[in-house]
Amino acid sequence: QKEVEQNSGPLSVPEGAIASLNCTYSDRGSQSFFWYRQYSGKSPELIMSIYSNGDKEDGRFTAQLNKASQYVSLLIRDSQPSDSATYLCAVRISQAGTALIFGKGTTLSVSS
Amino acid sequence: DGGITQSPKYLFRKEGQNVTLSCEQNLNHDAMYWYRQDPGQGLRLIYYSQIVNDFQKGDIAEGYSVSREKKESFPLTVTSAQKNPTAFYLCASGGPTGGGYTFGSGTRLTVV
Repeated sequence: QKEVEQNSGPLSVPEGAIASLNCTYSDRGSQSFFWYRQYSGKSPELIMSIYSNGDKEDGRFTAQLNKASQYVSLLIRDSQPSDSATYLCAVRISQAGTALIFGKGTTLSVSS
Repeated sequence: DGGITQSPKYLFRKEGQNVTLSCEQNLNHDAMYWYRQDPGQGLRLIYYSQIVNDFQKGDIAEGYSVSREKKESFPLTVTSAQKNPTAFYLCASGGPTGGGYTFGSGTRLTVV
């Protein structure tokens, strides 16, 4: 069974701080990695994708990938109360075509 | 505007009844997916289709059926064999480059 693991949280940070969200995956052949944000009662929204080892930055978000350690992370700089949501890590595994396997998500709470 | 439309937004099912959830996309995406989300859980893959007239089972296909007769449409039927169908159902589609998905707004199914 191919798995994607995340700490469920909640992760609590003060406004303006850096939030660090982590994800590990079991399929060593995985090539594509995604972070989704999901507000309560809403559908997930894609915020970052990463395919190569290293860092990828987009505004306040930075995704980090280490395939050797099978680890992907999301950093949110200058966290805002509007960032409070559940963050889902998703991995495209080699055995499921184009389908993504999701972790259970980490709930982030940013206090003002 | 391009997007994915799921209907209905809320659906109530009686015991022993089959219900069908609609998913329509106008993004010209080849691949479409169905996921189920239970409270506090991540997304679990039910079925996916990478091309018209073809689909594959995901991790939790038992008690569900799908069809893919048109590129734009991927309806999901929740059959009476699905003993615990109360959940949030999400449909998604993806383009040929293997990037992230676009999700519909979801259907919340409740057994009454």
